[in-house]
Amino acid sequence: NAGVTQTPKFRILKIGQSMTLQCAQDMNHNYMYWYRQDPGMGLKLIYYSVGAGITDKGEVPNGYNVSRSTTEDFPLRLELAAPSQTSVYFCASSYWMGQGMSQPQHFGDGTRLSIL
Amino acid sequence: AQRVTQPEKLLSVFKGAPVELKCNYSYSGSPELFWYVQYSRQRLQLLLRHISRESIKGFTADLNKGETSFHLKKPFAQEEDSAMYYCALRGAGGTSYGKLTFGQGTILTVHP
Repeated sequence: NAGVTQTPKFRILKIGQSMTLQCAQDMNHNYMYWYRQDPGMGLKLIYYSVGAGITDKGEVPNGYNVSRSTTEDFPLRLELAAPSQTSVYFCASSYWMGQGMSQPQHFGDGTRLSIL
Repeated sequence: AQRVTQPEKLLSVFKGAPVELKCNYSYSGSPELFWYVQYSRQRLQLLLRHISRESIKGFTADLNKGETSFHLKKPFAQEEDSAMYYCALRGAGGTSYGKLTFGQGTILTVHP
């Protein structure tokens, strides 16, 4: 199993450009998450999904969009890149076992994004 | 609202010395607490979860509900322990959807 795979690993964007960060997991996890990691700020939840076709906002969703058309894939889209979106982005997944219990989250390697 | 606080951004110790990384939380119910570790330019990895009550790589952490703390401890630090450590909280119940709230992180440096 590859686990959680994120592409690309690095990207430089110009202000106003758009791009999609890809995330795929092969563990048949139903829950998936996107976080951003800023220095000294820890990880903040951007969006999450509890299954195909179901997504919801996290703590810092502004400027981002997501979709979940399959169980495996959870892409994150930046429509109009801004310098404030310079960050490291982590995708994670976990399996919900029912009764409100889920396994620990598994993380991808991250995408380092710079907006200039 | 749930919150996780790691009061130390940086922590330096010498090899063989004891180390304690502090974590305090606020949550109205019974949370799940985790410690994640991130070695240089690697992905986050789960180190410990409080319900497992296990020791991983010599690290232990005890949930103290009275003090709302989940400090990470190791009696003898090793150079390979140098990393970023995150404390994280997951709310109980189905409506939490497994979401994690992270602390700000502590960079541990173990000097030879």
